[in-house]
Amino acid sequence: EIVLTQSPGTLSLSPGERATLSCRASQSVSSSNLVWYQQRPGQAPRLLIYGASSRATGIPDRFSGSGSGTDFTLTISRLETEDFAVYYCQLYDSSFSYTFGQGTKLEIK
Amino acid sequence: EVQLLESGGDLVQPGGSLRLSCAASGFTFSTFAIAWVRQAPEKGLEWVSIISGSGGIIYYADSVKGRFTISRDNSKNTVYLQMDNLRAEDTAVYYCAKGKASTRFDYWGQGTLVTVSS
Repeated sequence: EIVLTQSPGTLSLSPGERATLSCRASQSVSSSNLVWYQQRPGQAPRLLIYGASSRATGIPDRFSGSGSGTDFTLTISRLETEDFAVYYCQLYDSSFSYTFGQGTKLEIK
Repeated sequence: EVQLLESGGDLVQPGGSLRLSCAASGFTFSTFAIAWVRQAPEKGLEWVSIISGSGGIIYYADSVKGRFTISRDNSKNTVYLQMDNLRAEDTAVYYCAKGKASTRFDYWGQGTLVTVSS
């Protein structure tokens, strides 16, 4: 079973700053199967990035994803107040199972 | 507009049963997989189960295999999750989510709370 480890656990930044969130897989994975979600307090998750680097419909271009192999990154170029939330990476295992990372909480400094 | 609406969450005793429903609209229901994903209080996301558009392909997480059963009624645009032999660790908000290209979930419901406690 592949494990996804996200870091840091909590990231404290100010609006306007750049955020860099990491997701590391315990073994090499296909970037096609790596996804990022945003979850605001009291809300359901929202799809942000799929295929490691493709933005989902309606997602602002300040959100970008990158990476390959075992190391993936979600970058938010200029933080806005609505971006402070919890972010999860997710992997699709071709044996039809889905694994989530433990999440990174992005909080206002 | 794609909408997913969960219902059926409740307080249930350990060992009890519950059936959740997920009513969908705004897309061609029978052509998309639907998954259940849960979130324990103050915890992260955990995938539970998925069912293909036709209902012919079903998978479960090891943590629920043998206790939970997913099904769908395409005439009613609804997916169900039958949960038996519930345990305290099944306490969570249960979300249903629309599958996309096997790899991701592009729309989510608002969730329904299941509490397992005596």
